[in-house]
Amino acid sequence: EDQVTQSPEALRLQEGESSSLNCSYTVSGLRGLFWYRQDPGKGPEFLFTLYSAGEEKEKERLKATLTKKESFLHITAPKPEDSATYLCAVQAAGGSYIPTFGRGTSLIVHP
Amino acid sequence: EAQVTQNPRYLITVTGKKLTVTCSQNMNHEYMSWYRQDPGLGLRQIYYSMNVEVTDKGDVPEGYKVSRKEKRNFPLILESPSPNQTSLYFCASSLLVQAGSGELFFGEGSRLTVL
Repeated sequence: EDQVTQSPEALRLQEGESSSLNCSYTVSGLRGLFWYRQDPGKGPEFLFTLYSAGEEKEKERLKATLTKKESFLHITAPKPEDSATYLCAVQAAGGSYIPTFGRGTSLIVHP
Repeated sequence: EAQVTQNPRYLITVTGKKLTVTCSQNMNHEYMSWYRQDPGLGLRQIYYSMNVEVTDKGDVPEGYKVSRKEKRNFPLILESPSPNQTSLYFCASSLLVQAGSGELFFGEGSRLTVL
């Protein structure tokens, strides 16, 4: 059974204080690992897909990395507008398109 | 504007009263799916569809039905809602080639309460 564990559950940062969110996963053959951002009362918004160990993707202050067991979402010099819940999901290789989501990390960035 | 539209956004109903949550997308996407989001459990896929008349079960299909008669619409049907279906529901869509890439477009969500 595919599993995704995100840590920490919640993270409070001061503006400009860099940090990382963790996503540990077990999957029988990885098709892709996805990161989403979810604002309160909104649907998730796609950020990145990583396909193989060693791959990195960047978008503004966010950088996602992938190993064979986990992914990190690095947030450099965060701003209050980066406050959101960040979701990680994995999709196993094969015919179905059923992603397994983690419970998310709630990030609050204080000014 | 490209969007996924769900209705209703909020609904309170009673056990056993059939209801339908509609989902419509204007991006000509082949792939559409339904998720429920519960505290402590995260997002779980209910059903998905890879094209018109093609639907498949996700991880938690029990108690739900779907249909895909038109490309743009993917309604979620609760024939006999029960309190354990109280949840926040999201519809999502993507081009089929992107379904495996995770690049899904989500609706704003429908908060359902079953008393």
